[in-house]
Amino acid sequence: AQTVTQSQPEMSVQEAETVTLSCTYDTSENNYYLFWYKQPPSRQMILVIRQEAYKQQNATENRFSVNFQKAAKSFSLKISDSQLGDTAMYFCAFIAYSGAGSYQLTFGKGTKLSVIP
Amino acid sequence: DAGVIQSPRHEVTEMGQEVTLRCKPISGHNSLFWYRQTMMRGLELLIYFNNNVPIDDSGMPEDRFSAKMPNASFSTLKIQPSEPRDSAVYFCASSFPGGGQETQYFGPGTRLLVL
Repeated sequence: AQTVTQSQPEMSVQEAETVTLSCTYDTSENNYYLFWYKQPPSRQMILVIRQEAYKQQNATENRFSVNFQKAAKSFSLKISDSQLGDTAMYFCAFIAYSGAGSYQLTFGKGTKLSVIP
Repeated sequence: DAGVIQSPRHEVTEMGQEVTLRCKPISGHNSLFWYRQTMMRGLELLIYFNNNVPIDDSGMPEDRFSAKMPNASFSTLKIQPSEPRDSAVYFCASSFPGGGQETQYFGPGTRLLVL
């Protein structure tokens, strides 16, 4: 079974600064996908960024980027130029699709990020 | 494009009553997932369907919970009888797996309060 660990239950960052959220995972799968989801106070789960394990290039989406270290099984999220609207819970998620409709998927416990004005 | 649609958005009921949560996945998606989120246990996968067939229901907490997907555009999660410990936010998500489309898109959730 795979596990996803987010070691930082809470973090804070000054507005306009950069913050990095950590995520480590453990799996025996070779083909999998990693995601960061954001959950603001509205409780909506919003996809922030995704990374395919077979791609070496780190994914980026505007101010959001990841540092994917496959050998170390690490998948951190960097938020640049933090904005007040980034205040939310951030969940790291792992999905391995085994074919024939079979998934292995796991979410981390989340990191609560507060952006301070 | 419409996202995943869930109803009701909020539900307050009394212990012992039947509760039915509804989900309409994104058109064209063939996998559907039901999650439960609580402060104590975080986000838990309850069950998921592929092409309307339940693939893994090992996360369903007990026999009081049941889920169906009668067609590609509709699923229900039923709790009968409901208990106060079922109070949580229930999410439905859908995806189109294969070819790099494993991303799950979540609905807005149903906040359930069982008194």
